[in-house]
Amino acid sequence: NAGVTQTPKFQVLKTGQSMTLQCAQDMNHNSMYWYRQDPGMGLRLIYYSASEGTTDKGEVPNGYNVSRLNKREFSLRLESAAPSQTSVYFCASRTGGNGNQPQHFGDGTRLSIL
Amino acid sequence: DAKTTQPPSMDCAEGRAANLPCNHSTISGNEYVYWYRQIHSQGPQYIIHGLKNNETNEMASLIITEDRKSSTLILPHATLRDTAVYYCIVRASTTDSWGKLQFGAGTQVVVTP
Repeated sequence: NAGVTQTPKFQVLKTGQSMTLQCAQDMNHNSMYWYRQDPGMGLRLIYYSASEGTTDKGEVPNGYNVSRLNKREFSLRLESAAPSQTSVYFCASRTGGNGNQPQHFGDGTRLSIL
Repeated sequence: DAKTTQPPSMDCAEGRAANLPCNHSTISGNEYVYWYRQIHSQGPQYIIHGLKNNETNEMASLIITEDRKSSTLILPHATLRDTAVYYCIVRASTTDSWGKLQFGAGTQVVVTP
């Protein structure tokens, strides 16, 4: 089972470049999430999508945009990359709604901005 | 949301049971206890969750005290591959609650031969 798939796994950008991180899940989940994790720190929520057609800001949304393309896919875009956005980015999904089902995570995209 | 407290680190011998404690003294009645782990360079992996009854699956057991103010994750036979940071999280079963999910520092577990 693929679960949550993120592409690419690694990427190096120059300051000012743009890039879209892709995330797809095959579990028919309604809710999807984007996090960043900096060295030695916990996860911080960037944006989430409670259901297809909706998106909401998380803790650290500045400098990012998202698109919930369909139920399976949730992309994260950096319009003008900055060195402060160097991080590991994780996508997650869960069934959604008022249930107790947990989030499931992808293996991350390691992004370096020079 | 209830805050959790975990020891920063613990060691465990391979083949022995690892007992990971978590305090959540301000937990509300509708909040579940979830455990995740993160092996170096990988995404967080869901382990187990529960409300008030003890739970067991193929990975671990979760023991929640009767007053629900603390819990213990038990890895019955630790292997070297169980070396990871383990996170205890308390969440209510609402979408908005999960939208505010935060992982704390967790417990660094090192399994030694």
